[in-house]
Order: sequence, then C-alpha cells, then structure tokens
Amino acid sequence: EVQLLESGGGLVQPGGSLRLSCAASGFTFASYTMRWVRQPPGKGLEWVSSISGRGDTTAYADSVRGRFTISRDNSKNALYLHMNSLRAEDTAVYYCAKLLMGGYYMDVWGKGTTVTVSS
Amino acid sequence: SYEVTQPPSVSVSPGQTANITCSGDKLGDKYPCWYHQKPGQSPVLVIYQDNKRPSGIPERFSGSNSGNTATLIISGTQAMDEADYYCQAWDSTTVVFGGGTKLTVL
Repeated sequence: EVQLLESGGGLVQPGGSLRLSCAASGFTFASYTMRWVRQPPGKGLEWVSSISGRGDTTAYADSVRGRFTISRDNSKNALYLHMNSLRAEDTAVYYCAKLLMGGYYMDVWGKGTTVTVSS
Repeated sequence: SYEVTQPPSVSVSPGQTANITCSGDKLGDKYPCWYHQKPGQSPVLVIYQDNKRPSGIPERFSGSNSGNTATLIISGTQAMDEADYYCQAWDSTTVVFGGGTKLTVL
C-alpha cells in the first residue's frame, strides 16, 4: 500500500525554525516528484514546494522562497521541508504528496502535520 | 502570478447534477485537476487530465475542460459527496489552487 506519513510539526515562536519529514512507503520513491502543500486553519490549500525525483530540481511558492528548503533522501525514502524565519502566517497543516507518474497531479497525500507559529 | 477562480459555494439536491467551475486564463493548457476534501481529512484526487478518474473514484464524477474553464460534474449527487472541492493548475513550475468550492447536498 502506498503511504506517506508526515512528522515534525509543533509549536514554534516567530522567527524560529522547524524541519518537517515525510516517510514514504509502498512505491519507488526516487521515481516520483514530491510536493508540500499547506492549509491554514479554516482556509484553502496552498502549494509550498516541489522537488524532482532525483532532487536536482526544486520550486517554491513566492510566500516561502528564501525561507523554506525542500530536500529528499532517496536512500531513506524520505522527504523534508526545512522551515526558517517562521511567521504567524505559516501556521497550517502541512501535507506531503506524491505526483502521479508522468503527470502534474497529486494522487497520494499524507495525513498532514500541524505547524503553529505563535509566541 | 497565475490565478484560478472557483465559486465559494454550490448547492445541489440529492440525485441531481452538480457542476463546479474553475476559471483561469488558458486554463486548458495548464493541466487542471480536481480534489475533494472532507472535514478533518486529506485531499483526494477525483479528476485529472480533463476527464480521468483515479482508481476508486465513482463513475458519477467526470470533468470537462474548454479554453478558460474546467468543470467538475457530479451526476446523481449523493450526500457523501458533500465536501470542499479544489481545482488545481500547473503554470511553468508553479502549482496553483483555486480558493475551493463548498458543495452542499440538501
């Protein structure tokens, strides 16, 4: 069964840092582009970042560029999101998602991990 | 930056057809797709590549895509279809979501 399991969320003060992890299983992780998507409380979905299967191509939303870094370790079937200079508006549930092979669509999502930025 | 627009809410009676639209400049060229999300759950892909359904998605879900508008069509809507629906497009390296449409079945 294909599964994604996020971890690493929590309460952090403004200006702080956090690293989210996403453990993948049930598929050939290195073959797939992966994404992070977040959802602030009571609001809609917002794409955060994408990374290619080999990790050599990344992309970021304007709202996080320069503060967040996406990475992956294909030997560990793990996806990461390093978040620095956190702001209150970064408070959200963060989902990792796998892309459909050869496509632009996210066919498997994790259950999410909650990040709260507050003093 | 690229944007797509959805109506905030759509209401439909059980058994009727629900149409949820998503509009954006040349959206048809931006690989639009649809997700639904029920309260407390993760999003689920329901339609991609104009009118394809992932495994496990009922046949009552279909899609159309023409020019600047993509439409999610739910035929014979059931109470279990009540959810938030999001369209998503891809523009160069950027992923864009619509604001979401709350589908109410009443």
